[in-house]
Amino acid sequence: DGGITQSPKYLFRKEGQNVTLSCEQNLNHDAMYWYRQDPGQGLRLIYYSQIVNDFQKGDIAEGYSVSREKKESFPLTVTSAQKNPTAFYLCASSGGLGTLHFGNGTRLTVT
Amino acid sequence: QKEVEQNSGPLSVPEGAIASLNCTYSDRVSQSFFWYRQYSGKSPELIMSIYSNGDKEDGRFTAQLNKASQYVSLLIRDSQPSDSATYLCAVNIRRDSWGKLQFGAGTQVVVTP
Repeated sequence: DGGITQSPKYLFRKEGQNVTLSCEQNLNHDAMYWYRQDPGQGLRLIYYSQIVNDFQKGDIAEGYSVSREKKESFPLTVTSAQKNPTAFYLCASSGGLGTLHFGNGTRLTVT
Repeated sequence: QKEVEQNSGPLSVPEGAIASLNCTYSDRVSQSFFWYRQYSGKSPELIMSIYSNGDKEDGRFTAQLNKASQYVSLLIRDSQPSDSATYLCAVNIRRDSWGKLQFGAGTQVVVTP
């Protein structure tokens, strides 16, 4: 079945460490996105990519980095520069018309 | 002013009643509007999309769009306990970046038996 796989589901890190969240899709979608969700809040866009080897900053890109070397993969690195990294991270892809398909999310806790 | 605003709730609805959710947006050139449902601890899933003024019905769900008033709503008829979730309103402005959605904070709906 086609879908988006995020791993791991839960991730714990010490403050000051970089961490990379994985996102893989087999929907053959060109566009991929990373959102962050904090408790009681909506989704905020971190980075998006509409084509391989190209990506754009979203509304809250500071402290994050991405790469898009393959159509299927869009990993997100949370760097030590991100001041409040603890959150629920959602990867999504889109085949057009504005509809997003989400992965199951990664819950990151930094202490 | 937030770009997409929703009442946070919780909206308590008796089973079998109609749940009415509202969403306002700030940018007049917004083109596409979506409602996503998110169960606690899960990722959002699309339930409705609407692109032109008026009503759009899909099963027990009806989306209503009024671009002049910058207002989009979602009605859930015959509410069921399984409808208890947070409903996120999302708005897309530019056709050339379909997935660059602005999300509201969501309205929590609680359907009581």
